[in-house]
Amino acid sequence: GEDVEQSLFLSVREGDSSVINCTYTDSSSTYLYWYKQEPGAGLQLLTYIFSNMDMKQDQRLTVLLNKKDKHLSLRIADTQTGDSAIYFCADWGANFGNEKLTFGTGTRLTIIP
Amino acid sequence: ETGVTQSPTHLIKTRGQQVTLRCSSQSGHNTVSWYQQALGQGPQFIFQYYREEENGRGNFPPRFSGLQFPNYSSELNVNALELDDSALYLCASSLAGLAGGQFFGPGTRLTVL
Repeated sequence: GEDVEQSLFLSVREGDSSVINCTYTDSSSTYLYWYKQEPGAGLQLLTYIFSNMDMKQDQRLTVLLNKKDKHLSLRIADTQTGDSAIYFCADWGANFGNEKLTFGTGTRLTIIP
Repeated sequence: ETGVTQSPTHLIKTRGQQVTLRCSSQSGHNTVSWYQQALGQGPQFIFQYYREEENGRGNFPPRFSGLQFPNYSSELNVNALELDDSALYLCASSLAGLAGGQFFGPGTRLTVL
């Protein structure tokens, strides 16, 4: 079955860049997503990338995709205290009728002042 | 544009009871997915509803059931509650066939004692 893996924790100094990594196993994934979850809240969609792209930039966010290695990363430039949260990567299957997201366990990003 | 809403926010039940959770999808979205998020874990797909029918199911027993109404709102029902059902239940809405992402509500925190 599908599996998505992430490292559990990341600490970054305020103003530095954060890089959160993710690996997935489903070769039929057509889209990959990054979601942000703040304490006690639901998930906020940050950005997504189509599987035939290798990079997408959206303001402070850069997504890199290595489809051969099934590796996805999210780079947050100029990390701020408001970026403290848990970040989930998720893959999305291509089949109508199976449009579910498979999530990783999440990476908790802590900002050091 | 109204976002995804869920009710109630919090709920406490005892083992063996039944519970109904509700979700209103974002305007214009015709698909609703439900996820269970245990503490410290990523969300796990329960099932998805499209055109009032179940349209994909994760690895959850039949005591987890749902409904979708003509206005695309949805209910999640859980019978014979077990202690392990304690979790955050997330509803997400989307437009079938489009990969623009699923948009999540704030969740319902269910505690089973």
